Amino acid sequence: QKEVEQNSGPLSVPEGAIASLNCTYSDRGSQSFFWYRQYSGKSPELIMFIYSNGDKEDGRFTAQLNKASQYVSLLIRDSQPSDSATYLCAVAASGGSYIPTFGRGTSLIVHP
Amino acid sequence: GAVVSQHPSRVICKSGTSVKIECRSLDFQATTMFWYRQFPKQSLMLMATSNEGSKATYEQGVEKDKFLINHASLTLSTLTVTSAHPEDSSFYICSARDPTSGFGGYTFGSGTRLTVV
Repeated sequence: QKEVEQNSGPLSVPEGAIASLNCTYSDRGSQSFFWYRQYSGKSPELIMFIYSNGDKEDGRFTAQLNKASQYVSLLIRDSQPSDSATYLCAVAASGGSYIPTFGRGTSLIVHP
Repeated sequence: GAVVSQHPSRVICKSGTSVKIECRSLDFQATTMFWYRQFPKQSLMLMATSNEGSKATYEQGVEKDKFLINHASLTLSTLTVTSAHPEDSSFYICSARDPTSGFGGYTFGSGTRLTVV
């Protein structure tokens, strides 16, 4: 059974700090990795996707992927109170099946 | 970017009645759409995959006779919760992937908060 694990948190960081969110997955055949942000009562919105080992940067967000360790992370630099949300990690397998499996999400709180 | 429209956003219904939720891809054609359910503080759980012009594929444990899915066109999928009960109260979200986006991930509808009283 494919599993995606995330620490539920909450992760609390001060405004301006770096928030580090982590995710591990069980399926070694996974090829696509996604980070979604979900505000309370809202549906998820895609922040980033990554499918090659290493880092991928987009503005204040950096996704890091290590397939050997089956680990993907999301760094948020200069965290803002508006970043407070639940961050969902999603992993999709290869072989033409792109349906992602979602982790439970990590609650992030950025306090002023 | 790809936009998925979902409505209603909120619905309250009486126990035993049926509720229909619509999901539309606005600027792309989606041969496949996905329906998720999310309970408070829980992860998104895939309920079923909606296939245009054919039967939906349901995940293990999801009652196909209770959660009716129709994907009549390339831009519209509907989920009908039949004979709703309070335990069906949840946040239902549809999703689709623009096939031209490659690995670009899935776009979600805005979700439907169903409350069965």
